[in-house]
Amino acid sequence: TQLLEQSPQFLSIQEGENLTVYCNSSSVFSSLQWYRQEPGEGPVLLVTVVTGGEVKKLKRLTFQFGDARKDSSLHITAAQTGDTGLYLCAGANAGGTSYGKLTFGQGTILTVHP
Amino acid sequence: EPEVTQTPSHQVTQMGQEVILRCVPISNHLYFYWYRQILGQKVEFLVSFYNNEISEKSEIFDDQFSVERPDGSNFTLKIRSTKLEDSAMYFCASKEQGNEQFFGPGTRLTVL
Repeated sequence: TQLLEQSPQFLSIQEGENLTVYCNSSSVFSSLQWYRQEPGEGPVLLVTVVTGGEVKKLKRLTFQFGDARKDSSLHITAAQTGDTGLYLCAGANAGGTSYGKLTFGQGTILTVHP
Repeated sequence: EPEVTQTPSHQVTQMGQEVILRCVPISNHLYFYWYRQILGQKVEFLVSFYNNEISEKSEIFDDQFSVERPDGSNFTLKIRSTKLEDSAMYFCASKEQGNEQFFGPGTRLTVL
């Protein structure tokens, strides 16, 4: 069974601060996706990382996939109140007997205070 | 922008009743999924569907669950005899050949 451990579970910071969320596993994933989920809504895809060592930037958000494709991080620079929400990482395996099912981390609830 | 839609947004049912949750995936997508999220817990994989058949299912997806793609656009999840512990948000997702799965807004199922 593949597991993804996401940390921290809760993060409360002031506007303007930087933060990093981590997603770790003992398993190798072929890709890793980061989602943001608002209360009562479905996860919204932010980014997909595929290659070991890959770094992707989305405005103030920087996503990194570990060299061994077992871990990933999300770094937010100069957080804003609009960044408040639940961030989820999800790993996928493609090919073989897997048809891309996602294994999710438990999520990080980020609160950015003005 | 194309999106996955789900109906109803909220379903309340009595224990033992059958429910059907409906999804319309993005039109050119080939792979379809159902996930569930019990309040306060992780999003969990239930089943994947490809080429008109189940391709993978989790241990949660027992004989009480079934999926169907009846008409080439809808993708349904049926729970034959609901239990209290089936109360959760149910999410449908779809993707093309690549990695990116797109999720619907979910159906909140409440079993009384």
